[in-house]
Amino acid sequence: DGGITQSPKYLFRKEGQNVTLSCEQNLNHDAMYWYRQDPGQGLRLIYYSQIVNDFQKGDIAEGYSVSREKKESFPLTVTSAQKNPTAFYLCASSTALGSTTNTGELFFGEGSRLTVL
Amino acid sequence: AQKITQTQPGMFVQEKEAVTLDCTYDTSDQSYGLFWYKQPSSGEMIFLIYQGSYDEQNATEGRYSLNFQKARKSANLVISASQLGDSAMYFCAMREPYTGRRALTFGSGTRLQVQP
Repeated sequence: DGGITQSPKYLFRKEGQNVTLSCEQNLNHDAMYWYRQDPGQGLRLIYYSQIVNDFQKGDIAEGYSVSREKKESFPLTVTSAQKNPTAFYLCASSTALGSTTNTGELFFGEGSRLTVL
Repeated sequence: AQKITQTQPGMFVQEKEAVTLDCTYDTSDQSYGLFWYKQPSSGEMIFLIYQGSYDEQNATEGRYSLNFQKARKSANLVISASQLGDSAMYFCAMREPYTGRRALTFGSGTRLQVQP
């Protein structure tokens, strides 16, 4: 089935360590996104990519990095520079910019829960 | 900048009754899209319904309908005949304009609890 796969589902990290969250999609979508969700709050945009080999900072990019070497993959690295990384991370994808036949709906993965010990 | 406001942190509804979840938005763009997503305790985000700014009729999807009042900049979600499985967080979101980054801006959410 087509969809977005995030791994791992749960991740524990010691302070000072970098961790990478995986996001893979087989929907043939051009655009991909990473959001962060803190308890009881909405989603905030970390990074987004509208095309392979290009990505842009979102609203809370500090302490995070991404790459987009393949259309299907958009991994997120949470670096030691991120002061409060404990959160729920959601990856999403959508069809291309300029497509007037769709709503711009985002399709989400099941999320990765990161806890810093 | 766009902004989405959901003023109800939590709502209770009796099973089989209808409930309205409020959403107001702020944008200077003429073309925009409004979405509602459901997030169960498992964490996944489930798309429910979409309303385009130029759509003249309110969107409906099964038991979900969107009460779109453009002049008031509100896009309330109405769930009819509530079911126990409707208990979840509900998020209103707005699509940023085509000339921008095309991401969605989310509100803070409303936690709905359906009581038997």
